[in-house]
Amino acid sequence: EIVLTQSPGTLSLSPGERATLSCRASQSVSNNYLAWYQQKAGQAPRLLIYGASSRATGIPDRFSGSGSGTDFTLTISRLEPEDFAVYFCQQYDSSPRGTFGGGTKVEIK
Amino acid sequence: QVQLVESGGGMVQPGRSLRLSCAASGFTFNNYGMHWVRQAPGKGLEWVAVIWYDGTNKYYADSVKGRFTISRDNSKNTLFLQMNSLRAEDTAVYYCARDAQLWFPTYWFDTWGQGTLVTVSS
Repeated sequence: EIVLTQSPGTLSLSPGERATLSCRASQSVSNNYLAWYQQKAGQAPRLLIYGASSRATGIPDRFSGSGSGTDFTLTISRLEPEDFAVYFCQQYDSSPRGTFGGGTKVEIK
Repeated sequence: QVQLVESGGGMVQPGRSLRLSCAASGFTFNNYGMHWVRQAPGKGLEWVAVIWYDGTNKYYADSVKGRFTISRDNSKNTLFLQMNSLRAEDTAVYYCARDAQLWFPTYWFDTWGQGTLVTVSS
């Protein structure tokens, strides 16, 4: 079973700053089958990135995903006020498929 | 627009049952695998179950296997989750989610409902 560990647990930044979120897998994620979701308080998750680096429809280009194997990164180039939220990574490579990381909260400093 | 709307949540005693529904609109429902994903209060996301586009295959997380049943009615564009023998640890917001790929599930989700809260407590 692939376990995803996200770090840091909380990231305190100011609007306009760059955010770098990490997702580390306990074993290699084949085919870069890794997705990122954003969840704002009281809302459902929203797909941001799939295939480790492909932006979902309608996602601004300040969001980018990178990485392969066991180390993946979500970068928000310049934080907008609406970007303060919790971010989850998810692997859909191997069984049990669809497992999520514990999340990183991006909060206003 | 593509939309998923869950219903059926509420408070229930341990050991009892509950049936959740998810009404889909804005897309060809019977072309997509569908999932249930849950989130305990203040916690992360947990995949619960998947059903193939035609209902022929269903898979479950170990934590709910034997107690929960996923089903769908393609004539009514509706997804269901029958939850039996509920436990306190099943307390969560339950989301239905559309698989991002046509036909066979790939276990990543491009559309989510707003969720319905299930509370299991005596």
